[in-house]
Amino acid sequence: DTAVSQTPKYLVTQMGNDKSIKCEQNLGHDTMYWYKQDSKKFLKIMFSYNNKELIINETVPNRFSPKSPDKAHLNLHINSLELGDSAVYFCASSLTSGWADTQYFGPGTRLTVL
Amino acid sequence: AQKITQTQPGMFVQEKEAVTLDCTYDTSDPSYSLFWYKQPSSGEMIFLIYQGSYDQQNATEGRYSLNFQKARKSANLVISASQLGDSAMYFCAMRVLNTGGFKTIFGAGTRLFVKA
Repeated sequence: DTAVSQTPKYLVTQMGNDKSIKCEQNLGHDTMYWYKQDSKKFLKIMFSYNNKELIINETVPNRFSPKSPDKAHLNLHINSLELGDSAVYFCASSLTSGWADTQYFGPGTRLTVL
Repeated sequence: AQKITQTQPGMFVQEKEAVTLDCTYDTSDPSYSLFWYKQPSSGEMIFLIYQGSYDQQNATEGRYSLNFQKARKSANLVISASQLGDSAMYFCAMRVLNTGGFKTIFGAGTRLFVKA
């Protein structure tokens, strides 16, 4: 059983389109995250949710809107896609949002904007 | 500023030898955690090892050990008896209190090549 799953694995789309990435975890964790990994492999936090509530919102364009319908799911919707949005997006989860929590990552979604 | 520094963009090691991947961190918080993740060419992020700031002993997980030197703010990963499958990108990360809550900051990564 996959602990943290994401769909789709690959997403190729045109500039200006709107797309969503879905994430689900079956670990019973309270906290979920979205990360962006750029072409130089640099990994940066975008959002964090704890029990469906947004707790971290980095300086991300408001074209990116996360939604957490329940604590096992965290989706990412992106409006008006731009070339610079091309990256790998990782979902992750941790037991709580505390300082000692290990994060477990999904397989990633490679987004290519043409 | 809170940050993680990995100064080795790439490292080579002979199969069956040990290798140390360097990581230094910067934070003024007393409570923090340090992690190492492996990212093979297939792209997934695999958790390897964890060290809490209050832990007295260095963490070990199988062939992985974390050489935690708090005074020097370093958290180097040691891989013993390297295997070909260890060839991957390795990320050091630190979890610290930031605006809004605890967040994890990643280093730029070290690409490890294991030679047969």
